[in-house]
This record gives sequence, structure tokens and C-alpha cells, in this order.
Amino acid sequence: AQSVSQHNHHVILSEAASLELGCNYSYGGTVNLFWYVQYPGQHLQLLLKYFSGDPLVKGIKGFEAEFIKSKFSFNLRKPSVQWSDTAEYFCAVYNQGGKLIFGQGTELSVKP
Amino acid sequence: DAGITQSPRHKVTETGTPVTLRCHQTENHRYMYWYRQDPGHGLRLIHYSYGVKDTDKGEVSDGYSVSRSKTEDFLLTLESATSSQTSVYFCAISPSNTEAFFGQGTRLTVV
Repeated sequence: AQSVSQHNHHVILSEAASLELGCNYSYGGTVNLFWYVQYPGQHLQLLLKYFSGDPLVKGIKGFEAEFIKSKFSFNLRKPSVQWSDTAEYFCAVYNQGGKLIFGQGTELSVKP
Repeated sequence: DAGITQSPRHKVTETGTPVTLRCHQTENHRYMYWYRQDPGHGLRLIHYSYGVKDTDKGEVSDGYSVSRSKTEDFLLTLESATSSQTSVYFCAISPSNTEAFFGQGTRLTVV
């Protein structure tokens, strides 16, 4: 069965620190990959997406992610986090059947 | 924001009662999804629909049923609510496998 795994459940960083959140998926076919963000009390919003082409994709607010097919990974990165990045981050995978599956989420706390 | 509305936004119900949550869209998107969000579990797919009257089960479908008689509406029903179904429920819509747009969520408490 298709699944998505996020390795970090809670990450605490100081402002200006670099961020990398891990995401691995299990699905052998063609997938579309996403990172969503949920700010406190809000619904999910799209950060970035990968369908094909350049495996390094850039999203909003300075986030980027790298797709490594051989590792079934799609890790999220940001060179320098801000207090306003405090939120929960979700990796998600779409298979060709239209099923969209999410990881468990990573809560990011950025200390000012 | 995409035209997606969930109702009600908050509900408290008693164990054993039926509950229906509604997701309404104005985007004419093909796909609609119901998720539940619980601490430590992320978003788990309950059911999804890929067209009118076309639905399929997700990861945690037991105790839930859905119906989609019109493109714009996707109903989630808890036939007999249990305390384990206390959660925040999110609806999402998508035109294809490209991007999903989420509703504001429904907070359901079963007492």
C-alpha cells in the first residue's frame, strides 16, 4: 500500500538556522509530490510541488525540495528559517489513481 | 482561496448518533477528499471521490460512509458516532493529480 513517512515529528530551531525535513514514500509508479504547510488554526496551504523535470523545486517563502528517485525521498529545505515559519509541515504523494496520501506531519517551532 | 465550504464548522454530538458533514465546492473539480486530522497521525484519508457516484475507500474508512450525487457536494456520514471519531475533518478538492485545495475544517466532538 502507498505510504508516506516523515522522520521528524517535532523540530525546534533558532531563527536563521537551516532547515531540512525528511520525507520518504513507498510507491513504485509515477507520483506527484507535494509539501503543504499548516499555520496554527488554519487549513493546509501548498508550499511546493514536483511533477517531473528538474528534481530541485522551489516554492513560496524561500522553501525548496529535492526529489531523489533512487531514495524515494522528497526532502524540504530552507537555508534560514524565521519565527513566522513556525507551523506544521506535511509531505504528500499523489498516485495516478487520484489518491492523495499524507505523512504524519512535522511540527516546526522557531525560537526568536 | 478555492471555492470550498465545509459545514458545519463545529459540532458536538452524542455517542451513537448519526452525523453528516458536508463539503461544497464551486470549482467544478473532479476529485474530492475527506481527511481526519489527529495529533501524531497527520492527515489520514477516509474516502475520496473521482466523479459523481464514484467513490473509494481511504486508509481509515471504517465507521464512515460517503455520497456524491452532484459534482459540487461530497457528504461524509458517521452512521453511529463514537468517541474515537472526535477529530478535525478536512475536505479537499482537486481538478486532477496536480494540486489539492483544502477547506477550513470541521471540528467534531463526540461525547
